[in-house]
Amino acid sequence: ELKVEQNPLFLSMQEGKNYTIYCNYSTTSDRLYWYRQDPGKSLESLFVLLSNGAVKQEGRLMASLDTKARLSTLHITAAVHDLSATYFCAVDMEGNNDMRFGAGTRLTVKP
Amino acid sequence: NAGVTQTPKFQVLKTGQSMTLQCAQDMNHEYMSWYRQDPGMGLRLIHYSVGAGITDQGEVPNGYNVSRSTTEDFPLRLLSAAPSQTSVYFCASSFGVLNTEAFFGQGTRLTVV
Repeated sequence: ELKVEQNPLFLSMQEGKNYTIYCNYSTTSDRLYWYRQDPGKSLESLFVLLSNGAVKQEGRLMASLDTKARLSTLHITAAVHDLSATYFCAVDMEGNNDMRFGAGTRLTVKP
Repeated sequence: NAGVTQTPKFQVLKTGQSMTLQCAQDMNHEYMSWYRQDPGMGLRLIHYSVGAGITDQGEVPNGYNVSRSTTEDFPLRLLSAAPSQTSVYFCASSFGVLNTEAFFGQGTRLTVV
């Protein structure tokens, strides 16, 4: 059974600091997705990672994928308050249309 | 740009009632799916469709039915609502099932009493 584990589940940061969110998964997959969800809102796509070693960056967020380690990271650089949200990773079940999500990391950035 | 539209936004049902959650997309996406989101958990896939006339079960399909008669619409039916189905439901669509990002609707908050 595929398991997708994120850590930490809760993260409180000071503005200007750096931190990394980890997403581990338990089966082979080379497709991993990161989404952002604001409270009471829908999910917004952040990154699509499609191969081992893939790295994508958008503003203060950078995501990477290591399929051999079954690990993806979401790195936050110089956090700002606007990044406060819940971040989810999701893994494609070996291409059979079954997406599995992690439990989410609730990020709070404090002034 | 409408994107993915879900209705209703909120719904309260009594145990045993049935209802249909509507989902429509105007992006000509092939792939559509339904998820439920419960507190402290990520999204769990209920059913999905890779095109009109084709549907399949996801991780938690029991108690739900779907159909895909058109590319645009993908309704989710609760056959006999139970309190365990209290959740927030999200519909999503993508151009293809692989290698593309999903676009999510705004969600339907369902309470079964």
